[in-house]
Amino acid sequence: AQTVTQSQPEMSVQEAETVTLSCTYDTSESDYYLFWYKQPPSRQMILVIRQEAYKQQNATENRFSVNFQKAAKSFSLKISDSQLGDAAMYFCAYRSPSYNTDKLIFGTGTRLQVFP
Amino acid sequence: EAQVTQNPRYLITVTGKKLTVTCSQNMNHEYMSWYRQDPGLGLRQIYYSMNVEVTDKGDVPEGYKVSRKEKRNFPLILESPSPNQTSLYFCATSDWGVIWGEQFFGPGTRLTVL
Repeated sequence: AQTVTQSQPEMSVQEAETVTLSCTYDTSESDYYLFWYKQPPSRQMILVIRQEAYKQQNATENRFSVNFQKAAKSFSLKISDSQLGDAAMYFCAYRSPSYNTDKLIFGTGTRLQVFP
Repeated sequence: EAQVTQNPRYLITVTGKKLTVTCSQNMNHEYMSWYRQDPGLGLRQIYYSMNVEVTDKGDVPEGYKVSRKEKRNFPLILESPSPNQTSLYFCATSDWGVIWGEQFFGPGTRLTVL
């Protein structure tokens, strides 16, 4: 069974600085999808970025980028030029490519604080 | 506007009193799921549905029921709620279409069982 581990329960960063959130996963599948979701105090789950395992290139969305290391089964999220609005809980998630399931496997989350 | 709606958003109830949390989507997605979120555990899937009349258990199905009679609706039923079902619940939808694999989440339902 697949598992996702986020080893940093809490992180903090100064506004305008860069922070990296860690995520590791375990799977025997060769193809899969990885996601980072943001959960602000409103509790809404917001997709930040996604990565297809078959793609070598790391995904980037504006100030958010990932460092995807397939062999190491690592999928970290880098937030550049941090803003106060980035303060939230961040979840890493894994999805199998199988059409027979509809499950995201989540890590336990990292709470990010942003200080002015 | 594409959206997933859940009702109610907040609910306080007592042990044993049957309740239903509704979920509706207007995106014509095939797949729908229910998750619960608990501190320190992340989100865990309760049930999912890949089509009308097709449902299957997720990781934590005990104490819950679902049905999928229409494509757009996927209610979560707690026939005899217990305090350990106090949690934050999310409905989610997806489709193997343009955004392959992404799940779209509803706003969440905060349930407290006394």
